[in-house]
Amino acid sequence: DAGVTQSPTHLIKTRGQQVTLRCSPISGHKSVSWYQQVLGQGPQFIFQYYEKEERGRGNFPDRFSARQFPNYSSELNVNALLLGDSALYLCASSPHRGYGYTFGSGTRLTVV
Amino acid sequence: GENVEQHPSTLSVQEGDSAVIKCTYSDSASNYFPWYKQELGKRPQLIIDIRSNVGEKKDQRIAVTLNKTAKHFSLHITETQPEDSAVYFCAASIGTNAGKSTFGDGTTLTVKP
Repeated sequence: DAGVTQSPTHLIKTRGQQVTLRCSPISGHKSVSWYQQVLGQGPQFIFQYYEKEERGRGNFPDRFSARQFPNYSSELNVNALLLGDSALYLCASSPHRGYGYTFGSGTRLTVV
Repeated sequence: GENVEQHPSTLSVQEGDSAVIKCTYSDSASNYFPWYKQELGKRPQLIIDIRSNVGEKKDQRIAVTLNKTAKHFSLHITETQPEDSAVYFCAASIGTNAGKSTFGDGTTLTVKP
């Protein structure tokens, strides 16, 4: 049984560009959350989606947006990239909005 | 919003010794407290969790305690082994929605053989 898969695993972008990160949850999982993990810090909550609706948003600027598709996969978009957006972006999924979240291995984004 | 503080930031122990990592939280509404282990370059993995209606939970060499009055919870690892070396994160979530967890900044545990 496949775990949470994220793509791409690594990417390098230039300041001002836009990026789209993708997440496929575990089969049967309907809730997806996105986190940003800056080196040396704990993950910081960005978004949560459940049943294709946004159910929570962390303290991030409007440059960050996300959506969830009918198959429960999700995309995270970041516009007008800044150097400070360089981080590991983690996706986690759960069958519901309660407990039991499983993390993917993340996408390492480097902004130069 | 919720704030989680974690101590110590680094911890070095000898193989076979015990390790304790402590976290405090600010929002009394938080009632779910998971602990994650993250090895270098890998994803965070849930190792144990506790809900606010329980004061202690144990799973083999790992235990977690919760003091709701003081708003702190701790991870205890006994008989440490070199493979326990990793970064450990505590987290807290309000209500039962673990998908919106607030994490501590992590503790780097090194177990020396």
